Amino acid sequence: DVKVTQSSRYLVKRTGEKVFLECVQDMDHENMFWYRQDPGLGLRLIYFSYDVKMKEKGDIPEGYSVSREKKERFSLILESASTNQTSMYLCASRATATYEQYFGPGTRLTVT
Amino acid sequence: GQQLNQSPQSMFIQEGEDVSMNCTSSSIFNTWLWYKQEPGEGPVLLIALYKAGELTSNGRLTAQFGITRKDSFLNISASIPSDVGIYFCAGQLTNGNQFYFGTGTSLTVIP
Repeated sequence: DVKVTQSSRYLVKRTGEKVFLECVQDMDHENMFWYRQDPGLGLRLIYFSYDVKMKEKGDIPEGYSVSREKKERFSLILESASTNQTSMYLCASRATATYEQYFGPGTRLTVT
Repeated sequence: GQQLNQSPQSMFIQEGEDVSMNCTSSSIFNTWLWYKQEPGEGPVLLIALYKAGELTSNGRLTAQFGITRKDSFLNISASIPSDVGIYFCAGQLTNGNQFYFGTGTSLTVIP
């Protein structure tokens, strides 16, 4: 059974804090993605990675960075959290030869 | 990024009714995907479409890849309460690797 896990389901942080969101997949997928989901806006791609130590900007990378030191793990970092980063964050992974992305359950982040 | 518009934004229907939703874009896509997201979970792939005009079914769900390659449609027949969730379309541009997601259609089924 394929699995993408995210470190927290709910997170509350203060403005200015550094925030780490962790994602782990057990399917040996090359590609991993971070999205944020907001009502009325759907899923928007923040960053993605095609391989270890590789990263590419998505549509809304400002205010975020990522790290992929191991194939199974992809971390999203908010260097200095702001209230407009309050959102649901979804991680996904995909094998290179396929179209299907497998999503984690999401992390609902609130920045106060 | 690309804008995929889904309509309707939300639907409230009686159990047993059929459901139709669509997704449109200003760009041409070479792949369309339909996902369902249940409360508290990540999206799960329902149907994948790979060529214009293609019609694919998955149980009570049927999706079509529009002839113009700028739209796609999802139908659910004889809805049941477990159909509740948010349905997303996603499209891949001809010359790209990234999938762009639609704004979502929230479905509520009233028993």
